[in-house]
Amino acid sequence: RKEVEQDPGPFNVPEGATVAFNCTYSNSASQSFFWYRQDCRKEPKLLMSVYSSGNEDGRFTAQLNRASQYISLLIRDSKLSDSATYLCVVNNYGQNFVFGPGTRLSVLP
Amino acid sequence: NAGVTQTPKFRVLKTGQSMTLLCAQDMNHEYMYWYRQDPGMGLRLIHYSVGEGTTAKGEVPDGYNVSRLKKQNFLLGLESAAPSQTSVYFCASSYSPPGGAYNEQFFGPGTRLTVL
Repeated sequence: RKEVEQDPGPFNVPEGATVAFNCTYSNSASQSFFWYRQDCRKEPKLLMSVYSSGNEDGRFTAQLNRASQYISLLIRDSKLSDSATYLCVVNNYGQNFVFGPGTRLSVLP
Repeated sequence: NAGVTQTPKFRVLKTGQSMTLLCAQDMNHEYMYWYRQDPGMGLRLIHYSVGEGTTAKGEVPDGYNVSRLKKQNFLLGLESAAPSQTSVYFCASSYSPPGGAYNEQFFGPGTRLTVL
């Protein structure tokens, strides 16, 4: 089993829709969780960290479920500019990041 | 600030040729990383450095060497390129080590390498 798994998509949604992605991780000792965004043929950039209590940044909400070992990303009121690949990143203290393969989102007009 | 820069942006090599990829950062970060990204796979760590003069192996180090002679630069070398090394290579840097909830890695724009 891969350490970090994501549904590759693509998720095709209309503008204004709400879309959610999940990411599962296999290492129960994982401590830090992040969502990165990667535009086509560009470098990854940090979208948001994922805190134990969940956190929100504008239209984006991230949740962590340690019992089931997954994190989620919810995007409300999707914009055309949200079209990208979303990378789930997990790591333990002192260890290097483990990246998921990414979930591709296309927001359609 | 330029952030993290990489040279070259594109390169085509023949099997057996060698080359060096250069990564530079102007954020005074201690930690630097080299990743490769292949279709359908997440970024995989090749080598990393926790400070000037130090390097360590990552998940997929075979066929690559690195050097960190200056804090701001991290070089990735391919001594004898193989078609399996065709990939997009990303360099990244961070202020603090992985593991902290507030750690962020800043990535360069990538180098697209094709080995024929």
